[in-house]
Amino acid sequence: SYELTQPPSVSLAPGQTARITCGGNNIGAHSVHWYRQKPGQAPVLLVYHDTGRPSGIPERFSGSNSGNTATLTISRVEAGDEADYYCQVWENTRDHQGVFGGGTKLTVL
Amino acid sequence: EVQLVESGGGLVQPGGSLRLSCAASGFTFSDHFMNWVRQAPGKGLEWVALIRNKGNSYSTEYAASVKGRLTISRDDSKNSLYLQMNSLRAEDTAVYYCGRDPDGSGYFDHWGQGTLVTVSS
Repeated sequence: SYELTQPPSVSLAPGQTARITCGGNNIGAHSVHWYRQKPGQAPVLLVYHDTGRPSGIPERFSGSNSGNTATLTISRVEAGDEADYYCQVWENTRDHQGVFGGGTKLTVL
Repeated sequence: EVQLVESGGGLVQPGGSLRLSCAASGFTFSDHFMNWVRQAPGKGLEWVALIRNKGNSYSTEYAASVKGRLTISRDDSKNSLYLQMNSLRAEDTAVYYCGRDPDGSGYFDHWGQGTLVTVSS
């Protein structure tokens, strides 16, 4: 089955730029979607189809996808960005199923 | 406003059964593919099941870990999504979320608040 690999944690100071990676075999051939989840809350869609941004999501959140790595970039990180971030694809080759990365805990120092 | 509200969670013994529901409002439920996603305590997200719309014959897909034990269904007349859970195991303990796929391309733009299922003796 298809696997997505994320770093368990990323830490940085307010105002810096966070880059959260999502690795997968030829992930560039997939559409990648990103979600943010704060403690005790449901996930929220941040980025869809690699670069799309739902209404209400600030421009500070952006995505890219190429080769074997997709990246969620959060510019000018704020304390309120502290959360878990998950990448996700829909695998349509052998198995038709959703696949999530293991999640990355973003800590704002 | 799109709303998804799950219900039906609770404590069940190993080998037992439970039926989860997800009530949808604020959009044309019958148009959309719908999913269940779960999250074990302290763990990450795991996709569980998909049901497509009428135009796609209500076809379904399942994660390997639940195939044959969990069954997704929908009632478009009631704007409701269901998950019938049989032969439950301790590893099925999780918060279960329903999620809407906006365009059939395999992502989730709206989520419910989740319902907790605990499998324990």
